[in-house]
Amino acid sequence: NAGVMQNPRHLVRRRGQEARLRCSPMKGHSHVYWYRQLPEEGLKFMVYLQKENIIDESGMPKERFSAEFPKEGPSILRIQQVVRGDSAAYFCASATTGDYGEQYFGPGTRLTVT
Amino acid sequence: GQQLNQSPQSMFIQEGEDVSMNCTSSSIFNTWLWYKQDPGEGPVLLIALYKAGELTSNGRLTAQFGITRKDSFLNISASIPSDVGIYFCAGQKAGKTSGSRLTFGEGTQLTVNP
Repeated sequence: NAGVMQNPRHLVRRRGQEARLRCSPMKGHSHVYWYRQLPEEGLKFMVYLQKENIIDESGMPKERFSAEFPKEGPSILRIQQVVRGDSAAYFCASATTGDYGEQYFGPGTRLTVT
Repeated sequence: GQQLNQSPQSMFIQEGEDVSMNCTSSSIFNTWLWYKQDPGEGPVLLIALYKAGELTSNGRLTAQFGITRKDSFLNISASIPSDVGIYFCAGQKAGKTSGSRLTFGEGTQLTVNP
C-alpha cells in the first residue's frame, strides 16, 4: 500500500537552470497539493490540483513556477530559471477529497540552487 | 497571509514526562490536523479533528479542537525518545477551492532526554 511518492529526493541545480519535481499520489487519491518549506520554518501552501485541473494556485509565485497534474502520470512542479531563494524542501500531499480532511505527505524533494 | 501561532517553539523534557503544545488563530478553522516531521522526511499525520470541542486520542497522543474553532492543543503522555521531532499544527477551512489547503503553524521542536 504505497504512500505518496516524490522524486527526486534531492536535486541540485545551478542558477538559471530548470527544476522538475514529481509527485505520485496515494492510490485512489485524485487531489494533490504542493507545499514549500524553507529551513527552520513551517510549510507554506503553493498550489492545489485535481486531474488535469488547477483548482487553487494562490500560493504560487506568479513567475517561473508552474504545476500540472495530467490525466496519466505524476503531478509535476516546474521551476524555471531557478534562483538561490528557491532552495527549499518541496512537499506534495494527496487526499481523497478536495473539500476538507486528511492530507498525506510524501518525503519531499530538497532543492539546492548553487 | 493567514498565520497560526504555535507554542512553544521548542521543548526539552525528560523521558517519561508529559508534553503539551498548542496552536491559536485569529480566524476560524473547520478542521485541525497535527503532524510530526522527522529530519529529512515529510510530515506524518498524527490526529485529525473535525468538530469544535472534539477530543481525540491516538495512543499516547491526545488532541482537542477548541470550542471557538480558533485553537487546538496536542498532549503527549509519558514521552519516549522516539517522540523527538518537530510537531506541526495545521488548520483547514472548508470548500472545494481555497478551503482545503492547509495553513501550518511554525512548529514545536521536541527534544526528549533519556
